[in-house]
Amino acid sequence: DAKTTQPPSMDCAEGRAANLPCNHSTISGNEYVYWYRQIHSQGPQYIIHGLKNNETNEMASLIITEDRKSSTLILPHATLRDTAVYYCIVRVTGKLIFGQGTTLQVKP
Amino acid sequence: DVKVTQSSRYLVKRTGEKVFLECVQDMDHENMFWYRQDPGLGLRLIYFSYDVKMKEKGDIPEGYSVSREKKERFSLILESASTNQTSMYLCASKRGYNEQFFGPGTRLTVL
Repeated sequence: DAKTTQPPSMDCAEGRAANLPCNHSTISGNEYVYWYRQIHSQGPQYIIHGLKNNETNEMASLIITEDRKSSTLILPHATLRDTAVYYCIVRVTGKLIFGQGTTLQVKP
Repeated sequence: DVKVTQSSRYLVKRTGEKVFLECVQDMDHENMFWYRQDPGLGLRLIYFSYDVKMKEKGDIPEGYSVSREKKERFSLILESASTNQTSMYLCASKRGYNEQFFGPGTRLTVL
């Protein structure tokens, strides 16, 4: 499984876009990029996933570079409720391996 | 919406006790998972099941067993609880290659 690298923490002002980067330089052709988040004392919550193309849903957008070695999760208008640990995971299928993630602190 | 429920949010047990953690999902998912989450170690997979009565060891199965008698229910069993099994336990389910949905977690303390 490809290893991911994320910054340990980031701050974002409420109402602004939060851009969370992830490096996965060893990703293989059939591995998807998944993003989950975990709000304190809750179970992880699925956000979005993609293979090659950029993806958007009601929660976020996922931008994957053309060489697929990195990606960015975008929360277009961060709210205080978006404060959480965000995990970037690459996996073919089956079990997920969560790293340390990025702690996003949304500030008023 | 998919719902994954776990029997308890908080549980306190004594060393040597047998502990049952229950997980139920309501979306007919064939795959179910048990993880534990510890500070600095992230989520680690204990066991998973891809069908009724089927189970596979994850990365840290020692000290645990599981039971999947019905499709909607996946139980994690600590045969003889130890203090190093104090942790947050998370259950998840999914269908096929789709995303996993997680339960709220059970924070287990073993004294």
